[in-house]
Amino acid sequence: AQKITQTQPGMFVQEKEAVTLDCTYDTSDPSYGLFWYKQPSSGEMIFLIYQGSYDQQNATEGRYSLNFQKARKSANLVISASQLGDSAMYFCAMSKAQGNLIFGKGTKLSVKP
Amino acid sequence: GAVVSQHPSWVICKSGTSVKIECRSLDFQATTMFWYRQFPKQSLMLMATSNEGSKATYEQGVEKDKFLINHASLTLSTLTVTSAHPEDSSFYICSALPGQGTDTQYFGPGTRLTVL
Repeated sequence: AQKITQTQPGMFVQEKEAVTLDCTYDTSDPSYGLFWYKQPSSGEMIFLIYQGSYDQQNATEGRYSLNFQKARKSANLVISASQLGDSAMYFCAMSKAQGNLIFGKGTKLSVKP
Repeated sequence: GAVVSQHPSWVICKSGTSVKIECRSLDFQATTMFWYRQFPKQSLMLMATSNEGSKATYEQGVEKDKFLINHASLTLSTLTVTSAHPEDSSFYICSALPGQGTDTQYFGPGTRLTVL
């Protein structure tokens, strides 16, 4: 069965520093997609970054990068130069064959000034 | 681009009434839309997958007669919670898949339902 695991319920980071949010996954499908979404207290889910299972290079989007280690089945999110506005819940997700997503339990990131 | 709206953003209703939530893709056509439910401090749980012009596919444990989904066009899907009860109070959030060439789902802002 497919599964996403986020082992960090909460993380603190000092403003302007980098932080890594962990995500491991389990699937037997050869083709899959990995996503990170940000959910602020307002509730909306904001797409951050995508990594395809066949992508050779790690995905990057501005201050976000995805550290994809296929053999270890990990897809950690790295946020560089943290900002106060980065404080939110962060969800790792994996796409299934039908297109729908399964989510991890999330990590609450708090950025300290 | 890739904006998804939901309406209403929050609703309070009496037990036994029905509530309709709309999900619209504003600047793209969505072949598939998804409905999720999120309880406080928990992750999103998929309720159903909705394809335009066909019946929705419900996840195990989700009552299709209680949560009616209609995907009448490529830009609109609706979720109707029928005969709502307090245990249906939750955050309902939809997402839309633009179609060929991308796996990325774009989410609406969510609807907070409170059933009294």
